[in-house]
Amino acid sequence: AQSVAQPEDQVNVAEGNPLTVKCTYSVSGNPYLFWYVQYPNRGLQFLLKYITGDNLVKGSYGFEAEFNKSQTSFHLKKPSALVSDSALYFCAVRAWNSGYSTLTFGKGTMLLVSP
Amino acid sequence: DTGVSQDPRHKITKRGQNVTFRCDPISEHNRLYWYRQTLGQGPEFLTYFQNEAQLEKSRLLSDRFSAERPKGSFSTLEIQRTEQGDSAMYLCASSLGGGDETQYFGPGTRLLVL
Repeated sequence: AQSVAQPEDQVNVAEGNPLTVKCTYSVSGNPYLFWYVQYPNRGLQFLLKYITGDNLVKGSYGFEAEFNKSQTSFHLKKPSALVSDSALYFCAVRAWNSGYSTLTFGKGTMLLVSP
Repeated sequence: DTGVSQDPRHKITKRGQNVTFRCDPISEHNRLYWYRQTLGQGPEFLTYFQNEAQLEKSRLLSDRFSAERPKGSFSTLEIQRTEQGDSAMYLCASSLGGGDETQYFGPGTRLLVL
């Protein structure tokens, strides 16, 4: 079985400061890892993904994430937060060698960026 | 490039009624997924189509739920004899397949069962 843990329900950061949203995962074999963002009453928007290759992945809106195989983590980062980054962030995983494409999501982390 | 669309965006129904939701994936995406999201939770997988074939169903998908993708394009999700516990956001996503596993989500259909 595959699972995702997002240990923080909420992350608070001041605008201009760096932000980190944590994610750890459990999966059999190599993982596909994803980050999505959700604004109120909206669907999920894709931010970035890790499949293979460089452990540091760059995505939309200045976000990046670092894959750490030994710690089974895929933390989302941004060097300088914007108020408009305030939203709900989801980490998701699927097994790389899975015949099907089921994504397993974490519970989400609310990011609040204060002016 | 149009994204994934879902209809309706909101649905209020009475317990015991049947409801049907529609999802139109991104054109040329051969994989289509349905998820359910409740408040404070991440999306939970319901079912998955590759073209018109339904390849995987979650244990969450009781026999009151049925999904179709008759021509490998749009999909419908029907809930029969709705219960208050069915109240949730129903999300549809599509992906290109063929090694590109990125799923793109629609805006969702929010269902309220009274």
